[in-house]
Amino acid sequence: DAKTTQPPSMDCAEGRAANLPCNHSTISGNEYVYWYRQIHSQGPQYIIHGLKNNETNEMASLIITEDRKSSTLILPHATLRDTAVYYCIVRVDSSGSARQLTFGSGTQLTVLP
Amino acid sequence: DGGITQSPKYLFRKEGQNVTLSCEQNLNHDAMYWYRQDPGQGLRLIYYSQIVNDFQKGDIAEGYSVSREKKESFPLTVTSAQKNPTAFYLCASSATGTRSPFFGPGTRLTVL
Repeated sequence: DAKTTQPPSMDCAEGRAANLPCNHSTISGNEYVYWYRQIHSQGPQYIIHGLKNNETNEMASLIITEDRKSSTLILPHATLRDTAVYYCIVRVDSSGSARQLTFGSGTQLTVLP
Repeated sequence: DGGITQSPKYLFRKEGQNVTLSCEQNLNHDAMYWYRQDPGQGLRLIYYSQIVNDFQKGDIAEGYSVSREKKESFPLTVTSAQKNPTAFYLCASSATGTRSPFFGPGTRLTVL
């Protein structure tokens, strides 16, 4: 699986949009971009994933650049409960095996009141 | 509600003792996994099981053992052979054909 690069930390004001970047310049054509988050001392939570089109769900939006070498996770109206470590992962979309989930260090997002 | 139960949330053991961490899921998922997380780091795969009575080693299986006698249960034993067992342990499961595994709440093991 391709390696990803994320900033170690970011701050965001409550109610504002949080934009979390991820670089994955070595991504291959059959690899998806996944985002998870982990609130302190809890298990990771799936947020969203995409291949090349932008995606949106009830939690967030995912913007993938045309060359697919980077992406941005957008939390449109950040709340204090969004404070967590956010992981960007790229992986081949096979049968859903978690074996292929490789988590890096992620981005610590702190939402400030 | 469906989900994964890991118990206990906090566990303390003396050095040299084996300890077993519980993982139960009622999601009817075929595959189950154990990950280890150390402070400030990502997750590393210990063992995984795609089907009952079958399991494979992950990237850091040394010092650990598992069993998969039932679909809903995948206990992890941390043996005395594990050199640095203090960590946060996460169990996950996934259904065949799905893309996003579901994680349990984790067990924080501290070996004194």
